[in-house]
Amino acid sequence: QVQLVESGGGVVLPGGSLRLSCAASGFTFWIYDLHWVRQAPGRGLERMTGISSDGSNKNYADSVKGRFTISRDNSKNTVFLQMNNLRAEDTAVYYCARGPGGWAFDHWGQGTLVTVSS
Amino acid sequence: QSALTQPPSASGSPRQSVTISCTGTSGDVGGYDYVSWYQQHPGKAPKLMIYEVSKRPSGVPDRFSGSKSGNTASLTVSGLQTEDEADYYCSSYAGGNNLLFGGGTKLTVL
Repeated sequence: QVQLVESGGGVVLPGGSLRLSCAASGFTFWIYDLHWVRQAPGRGLERMTGISSDGSNKNYADSVKGRFTISRDNSKNTVFLQMNNLRAEDTAVYYCARGPGGWAFDHWGQGTLVTVSS
Repeated sequence: QSALTQPPSASGSPRQSVTISCTGTSGDVGGYDYVSWYQQHPGKAPKLMIYEVSKRPSGVPDRFSGSKSGNTASLTVSGLQTEDEADYYCSSYAGGNNLLFGGGTKLTVL
């Protein structure tokens, strides 16, 4: 079955960096776009970034542009999110999600919590 | 770009129907047929319930249906069941590789 498993979350100081990973299994990884969506505590969903199946196209929400970088390794069925210059408002559960097309996300990981605090 | 507008709460009794609205603009909901709906139970990841306005993924009960009129999309849950109690989020493509989510609606089954 389709599985997405995020890792790499934790507590980080403001201005710090963190790298999240999302390991995929149960489907042909290299034909799907992947996305990162976050949810601040008690708040709604925000799609931050997505990457095309071959990694050639990437796009970012304004809130993270210039600070976050998405990448993927199709040989390892893994997508990454490098987060730099973290702010308190980046505190959230970060989900990776599979995008089969049509701007819908049909499978989600369980999420990893990132807390930015001094 | 602002989030899509959803009512904060909705409710209904078992076996009744409830409709949740999602209002945007001509630049998002009204301009594209890329509206999706997600169900999220507490502490769980979101689950796709409706995509491309009215299509249901395999395994989603046909009690869930979606529609759109102008700049407003709607999710209708018919024959409410206790397990339908959850938060529901709409999303819409907004052009320029931007995706907007609604603020979420907490559905209570009375």
